[in-house]
Amino acid sequence: NAGVMQNPRHLVRRRGQEARLRCSPMKGHSHVYWYRQLPEEGLKFMVYLQKENIIDESGMPKERFSAEFPKEGPSILRIQQVVRGDSAAYFCASLHPTGRRTGELFFGEGSRLTVL
Amino acid sequence: AQSVAQPEDQVNVAEGNPLTVKCTYSVSGNPYLFWYVQYPNRGLQFLLKYITGDNLVKGSYGFEAEFNKSQTSFHLKKPSALVSDSALYFCAVVGTMDSSYKLIFGSGTRLLVRP
Repeated sequence: NAGVMQNPRHLVRRRGQEARLRCSPMKGHSHVYWYRQLPEEGLKFMVYLQKENIIDESGMPKERFSAEFPKEGPSILRIQQVVRGDSAAYFCASLHPTGRRTGELFFGEGSRLTVL
Repeated sequence: AQSVAQPEDQVNVAEGNPLTVKCTYSVSGNPYLFWYVQYPNRGLQFLLKYITGDNLVKGSYGFEAEFNKSQTSFHLKKPSALVSDSALYFCAVVGTMDSSYKLIFGSGTRLLVRP
């Protein structure tokens, strides 16, 4: 059973470009969380999605950031018009529906975005 | 609001000595508490969790943690540290009042075990 798969692992963008980060959850997991980790800092919650629904986006910046988890395919975190402050590691985590509240999240290896 | 505090940026111990990594929390309702470990350029790996029951929780790689409700703490411990335990450790909490079940993480503690 493959773990949470994130790609690309490393992404370099120039200021003003778009970044798309993809996350395929573990098999059978229908809940996806995105977190951002700035250098030398902890993980900050961004958004929680279930298939075709955004459940909690309280951690998402109001502009330029969006996320989706379509019925088919991976979850995507999209950052438009990137700025240097967006440089960070972005982690996706998935959860089995029966694990709500008490189950642990399974994390991907992360996508490291560098904005030049 | 939910929050987690890890008061030490770094903990240094000698191999073979016991280690403690501290964590305190603040949540509405009862807490579900977790410890994760992160190795360089990797994702987070689950170590252990407290949901209910026995206050002493045993987890992976010989780690354990003790839930203390009165002190709102969930310190991570290991009786005998290994050099390979050197990594970044994160404490996380979910409040039972949070319908999104989102983990709130502490800022992390870097554990350095010297030979």
